[in-house]
Parts: sequence; C-alpha cells; structure tokens
Amino acid sequence: KQEVTQIPAALSVPEGENLVLNCSFTDSAIYNLQWFRQDPGKGLTSLLLIQSSQREQTSGRLNASLDKSSGRSTLYIAASQPGDSATYLCAVKGQAGTALIFGKGTTLSVSS
Amino acid sequence: DTAVSQTPKYLVTQMGNDKSIKCEQNLGHDTMYWYKQDSKKFLKIMFSYNNKELIINETVPNRFSPKSPDKAHLNLHINSLELGDSAVYFCASSQDGRGPSSKLFFGSGTQLSVL
Repeated sequence: KQEVTQIPAALSVPEGENLVLNCSFTDSAIYNLQWFRQDPGKGLTSLLLIQSSQREQTSGRLNASLDKSSGRSTLYIAASQPGDSATYLCAVKGQAGTALIFGKGTTLSVSS
Repeated sequence: DTAVSQTPKYLVTQMGNDKSIKCEQNLGHDTMYWYKQDSKKFLKIMFSYNNKELIINETVPNRFSPKSPDKAHLNLHINSLELGDSAVYFCASSQDGRGPSSKLFFGSGTQLSVL
C-alpha cells in the first residue's frame, strides 16, 4: 500500500531564503505526483504536476523534481516571501483511475 | 467562476442527525472525489466517481453514502452523525481521460462539527 511521507513537518525561514521540501513514497510505480498548497481554512491549490516519465517541472520560483527509482520528490522554493507561508502537500497517483494519496504536509512560515 | 463549489461551507449539527454536503464542478471533468481532512490535517480519500459510476470506495462507514446524479455533481449524505465525523470534507475533480497530466482541482471544503 502506497505511503507518502513529508519531511520536515514544519519549517520557519527568514524572507529571501531558498528552501527545499521533501517528499518520499514507498511504491515507485506511480502515474504522477502533484504538489499542492493549502492556506488556513482554504482548499488545496495545485502547484506542480510531474508525470511519471518526467524528472522535473518549474513554475515561477517553484521547481519540483522526481526520482521514481528512489521514491523521492523535492519542491524547491527560491527567494522565499511571506506570502509563501502555507502548508505544502505532496500527493502521488498510483495509476489511472485511482485517487491521489497524500502526505501530511509541511507547514512553511516565512518571516519578513 | 468557481470551478469546484461545495455547500455548505460550515455545518454544525447534533449527534445522530442526518446531513448532506453538495458538490458541483463546472470544469467538464469526468471524475469526482470526496476527501476527508482530520484534525491532524491528514487528507484521506473516501470515494471517487467516474461518469456517475462509483470506482473508489475506501473503508468508510456505511453511514456515508455518496450520490452522483450526473457527472458534474457528487453529493455526500451522512446518516446518524457521530462526534468522530467532525472534520473538513473536500470535494475534488479531475479529467482522468487526459492521462497523467490531469490535475486535481479542489473545492474550498465543508467544515463539519458534530456536537
């Protein structure tokens, strides 16, 4: 059964720092992997999606990488800003027609 | 225009009551989901429907019954509510037919509090 783990559970950084959030999964046979952002009291917003055949995806200051063989993904945030403060969730899809399995998230706090 | 909308946003009710949460998506997606986020913020799949057909049914009590009148709607009915049902329930949708590039879109959640 697929399990998704995110480390660290919480992270506090000063504004301007580059940071990396980690995600690991137990079953490397994945369809895709998605990173989401959740603000307090809000729903989830999809940030990046990496297909199983891809190694990375970039959107603005965000870069997500995927290493299927080692069961790992990282989300790199460049030049962090207070507005980046949120919980970041990693989720993997095992195959078409299955649901995303989520990690417990990393809560990021960026101070000005 | 809201892509995935859920109602109500907040639901406070007594133990033993029956309640429903409604979800609608206007993205033309063929697959809809219900997720539950517990007090520790862990998000777990409950149900998934593809073109009105149930395709995923995780170990959820029989008191929870999803209903999909058409592929744009997926409602969740809960009978005999218990304290442990208190959580945030999220509806989501995706277009599975678009292959591995298909993203998941979430509603803003329904916070259920059972007293």
